[in-house]
Order: sequence, then structure tokens, then C-alpha cells
Amino acid sequence: QSVLTQPPSASGTPGQRVTISCSGSTSNIGNNYVYWYQQLPGTAPQVLIYRNNQRPSGVPDRFSGSKSGTSASLAISGLRSEDEADYYCAAWDGSLSGRWVFGGGTKLTVL
Amino acid sequence: QVQLRESGPGLVKPSETLSLACAVSGASISTSYWTWIRQPPGKGLEWIGYIYYSGSTTYNPSLKSRVSISIDTSNNQFFLKLKSVTAADTAVYFCARVEGGVAVPETARWFDPWGQGTLVTVSP
Repeated sequence: QSVLTQPPSASGTPGQRVTISCSGSTSNIGNNYVYWYQQLPGTAPQVLIYRNNQRPSGVPDRFSGSKSGTSASLAISGLRSEDEADYYCAAWDGSLSGRWVFGGGTKLTVL
Repeated sequence: QVQLRESGPGLVKPSETLSLACAVSGASISTSYWTWIRQPPGKGLEWIGYIYYSGSTTYNPSLKSRVSISIDTSNNQFFLKLKSVTAADTAVYFCARVEGGVAVPETARWFDPWGQGTLVTVSP
């Protein structure tokens, strides 16, 4: 079981807005930044959102991140077929001497 | 741009030591932290640990007793050793640069870019 909890799947049609949730605790999300990674089929993950809501250059503004308490969300607006991928949330966890923890991943299907 | 490439045996026997290398190009390895992350087939991501060019390391407590990460600044590469492997260690192993700065707390760092990953299977 992953320390951070994500729904295993999500779906939407082109143009729709979808959100992916990530739930944690005070030792991780509640007191630390949240990061989102996108893993396209057969490729390595790449950062999509850093420090809760910041987008690296090159990431479209269709992607946005937010955090409230011990939960975080990734929103994708104007859904496109190329957004079909696995999405992982991550955060530093201050328990057990400290470690990076990830969610189990959400497979996004564009119908 | 910065590129990372993992290399090493694709098959390791149970109880033996898994050894991987990560070659860094496009940047000096002496400017950042560097990390290893793994992904069992069809499963999620697990952080293994990271290293600074000085040799300072931080490991996932769940793997700390079996893992060792080292660095070779002369050849711009770093390494992973995981001893006493079992089938549960079968995974795609990724190396990545740690972004966000070296003088910031861990919470302010992230992983970018990643190597393409290499599959290591533990089997007799």
C-alpha cells in the first residue's frame, strides 16, 4: 500500500475538466509541498507540478495543482488525447527519519 | 540538456547484489543531488535514496539496511548497490537529478529529469 492515496483510475472526454485527488497525513502533505508526475506509456515519469502549484516551463497551463490540509488535487482542463497517462503525487514524509513517498498512481483514460 | 542513462545487469539471482550505474551528461554531477527510484512491474513508484557530490547520502528507511549509493565525480556518474535481493526487488530502476536547490529542505526538492529506466529481474 502506498503512503499517499490516489484513485486507481479516472476518465474524461476531450475538452472536459478532470481532477485527480491525493490524500495523505500531517507527516507528509499536511506539512510539506506536493509534487505531481506524469508517466506517459512506456516512458519515465516527468514533473508536471512542483511545490504544490508551480508549473515547469513547457507544461501547459491546462494543468494546475492545489493543496488543502492533508489533501491535494491535480486538475486538467481542456482534456486532450495525449494526456492519457499515469499520474503520481509525491511528498516528503517527515516520519521514520524522513523519506519521499508517492501515491499509487492514477491511470487517466481519455474516452 | 541534462540526460541520464542507467546501465547494469538485467538479471540478478536471489540473495546476490544488484549493481547499477547512472551516467550523467549535459551537466556536472557536482552541482546537484542525484537519486534512485524504482517501479515494480505494473505498480507505483518507490524512492530509494539520494546522494550529493560530496558523498553525503539519504536513504529510504525501508531499504537502508541493504542499499548503498556512491558517486564518481571524475566520470560524472553515480551508482546503486542493493544487497540480498529477492523477487520483491524486481523493478524498473530509474535515476534522476534532484531539482530545487541544494541549500533547501528536502520538502522543497523534486526529481527532474529522469533516465529512461532499466528493468532488473531477480530470478534464479
